[in-house]
Order: sequence, then C-alpha cells, then structure tokens
Amino acid sequence: EPEVTQTPSHQVTQMGQEVILRCVPISNHLYFYWYRQILGQKVEFLVSFYNNEISEKSEIFDDQFSVERPDGSNFTLKIRSTKLEDSAMYFCASRRTPATGELFFGEGSRLTVL
Amino acid sequence: SQQGEEDPQALSIQEGENATMNCSYKTSINNLQWYRQNSGRGLVHLILIRSNEREKHSGRLRVTLDTSKKSSSLLITASRAADTASYFCATAGSSNTGKLIFGQGTTLQVKP
Repeated sequence: EPEVTQTPSHQVTQMGQEVILRCVPISNHLYFYWYRQILGQKVEFLVSFYNNEISEKSEIFDDQFSVERPDGSNFTLKIRSTKLEDSAMYFCASRRTPATGELFFGEGSRLTVL
Repeated sequence: SQQGEEDPQALSIQEGENATMNCSYKTSINNLQWYRQNSGRGLVHLILIRSNEREKHSGRLRVTLDTSKKSSSLLITASRAADTASYFCATAGSSNTGKLIFGQGTTLQVKP
C-alpha cells in the first residue's frame, strides 16, 4: 500500500542551526501539508502546498520556515535558524483530492533542538 | 478559530467495554474526521463524516455528528488492548486548501 515516507526519523541539532526535513508523499497526490506536534500536545497545522506554491500557512509558519518541492517527488520543510521551541514531531501529509477526504500521514520526524 | 476540542482527555477501560470520546468545534465545517495515533507514530485516518450526515459506522466504530451543537462522538465497541492509542478529531472547513484542524485528543487505555 502506498505510504508517505519521512526522513530523518530523529534529528538532534544545536539552536541556531538550519534543519531540513524531507518527505516523499504518495505519488499521485497533489496536496501536501506539514503539521507539528509538540510532545503531549495537539497536532498543529503549519502549511499547505499545491501546484508548487504555498496555499495556506499558519501563524506558526513564520519567516524561519520554508517549504519546497524541488524535484516532483520530495517535499521539504526547512527551518532556517532553529529555536528550542521548535523541538517537536513534524508530520508530512498528502492527499489527492482538494477539499475533502482523508489525509495520509507519514510517521514523522522528531526534531530535538539543544 | 475552528478547533476541535475533545473530552475526556484520558480514558481507561477494560477490554470488551465500549469507549466513547467526544469532540466539539467552533465554526461551520465541511466534514469531521477521526484519527488514531499510536505512541510515537503517525496519524491514521479512521472515519470521515460529512456535515450533512448524522451517523456513520465502520466496523467497531460509530461516529455521530450534531451540527446544531457543533459536536461529534466516536464510539469504539467491544474494545481490545490493541485499541490503546490517542484519538483525535479533525475538522475541515470551507478552505479550499483542505486544511484540517485537530483537537487536543483523547488518550485511551484498554486494559487486558
């Protein structure tokens, strides 16, 4: 069964460093998302991406964050200068149809900022 | 903001019992979905109910939706130890980006 894959599964970084989290969405999906989950808390929307551009972003998704789909298969989330509060689980998700229907999530990338 | 809030936050039951989780939200929705998350893992879609539906079943899952009260419930019947997980409701509004807003989640423990 097709699945969303994410790498790395866990990354430890120093505050101020740049981090890139990678995702390979399901191949025929057209809508891509990043969510994050701080330990023990709810899943928060970061950004949605369609047709090679951001379609919506949350207040969390400030200038330190960027997303890219560089090669038609990967979908990346970059954090330019990490802060302690960026420590969280980051989930990539995708779907084929636009406004309705389930999201398919990856297993997540745990980011620890020291 | 459109937001699902669930109760209880935690629920502990014996195997074989039923588990009911509730979700409330604030604004109009297109559909409401329930997801399951095993500890440290990704979210898995369980069931979707559209705003014009009142009840939906899938195996041991039963979901109800009351748009007048802006609330939904998820019932898991005849629970098993393997149902131990966190359960989240998520609402889809009118945004054409398909963004979902997740609730706080209910942590369910099913004791064997």
